[in-house]
Amino acid sequence: AQTVTQSQPEMSVQEAETVTLSCTYDTSENNYYLFWYKQPPSRQMILVIRQEAYKQQNATENRFSVNFQKAAKSFSLKISDSQLGDTAMYFCAFMKHVRIQGAQKLVFGQGTRLTINP
Amino acid sequence: KAGVTQTPRYLIKTRGQQVTLSCSPISGHRSVSWYQQTPGQGLQFLFEYFSETQRNKGNFPGRFSGRQFSNSRSEMNVSTLELGDSALYLCASSLGLAIDSYNEQFFGPGTRLTVL
Repeated sequence: AQTVTQSQPEMSVQEAETVTLSCTYDTSENNYYLFWYKQPPSRQMILVIRQEAYKQQNATENRFSVNFQKAAKSFSLKISDSQLGDTAMYFCAFMKHVRIQGAQKLVFGQGTRLTINP
Repeated sequence: KAGVTQTPRYLIKTRGQQVTLSCSPISGHRSVSWYQQTPGQGLQFLFEYFSETQRNKGNFPGRFSGRQFSNSRSEMNVSTLELGDSALYLCASSLGLAIDSYNEQFFGPGTRLTVL
């Protein structure tokens, strides 16, 4: 079974600073996907960024980037120039590659509560 | 395109009762997954439905069940409610295609269930 661990329950930074959220996972699979989801206080879960395990290049989406270390099974999220709207719970998630209709599920970490202070 | 909708948004029930939650996926999506979110256990996968068939099931007792209708709308039912069933229940929809990639899951706003 796969497990995802987020070792930082809470983090707090000042606006405009850079912050890195940590995530490690355990799997024996070779083909999988990793995600960071954001859950603002309004509770709607939003996909922030994704990484395919077969891609060596780290994914980037505007101010969000990841550091994917496959051998170390590490997948950290870096938020540059943090903004007040980045305040949310952030969840790291794992999905095993399964080429079957409707049979893909997400395994989540416990989450990191990130607060951006003005 | 409308997003994933869940009804009701809030529910209060007492121990021993049963409850039914509803999820309407994004138009064209045929897969609906359900997750339970609690402060202690985090987000845990309940089950997934595709074309009215349960394809995947998490490690929850039989009191938790679900179904999917021909229009892809899904319901989950919890019978004989326990205090520990208090949680935010999220559903997510995706295309559910058999592809050499992932099917992005889009989440609804959740239903907050409180069991007294």
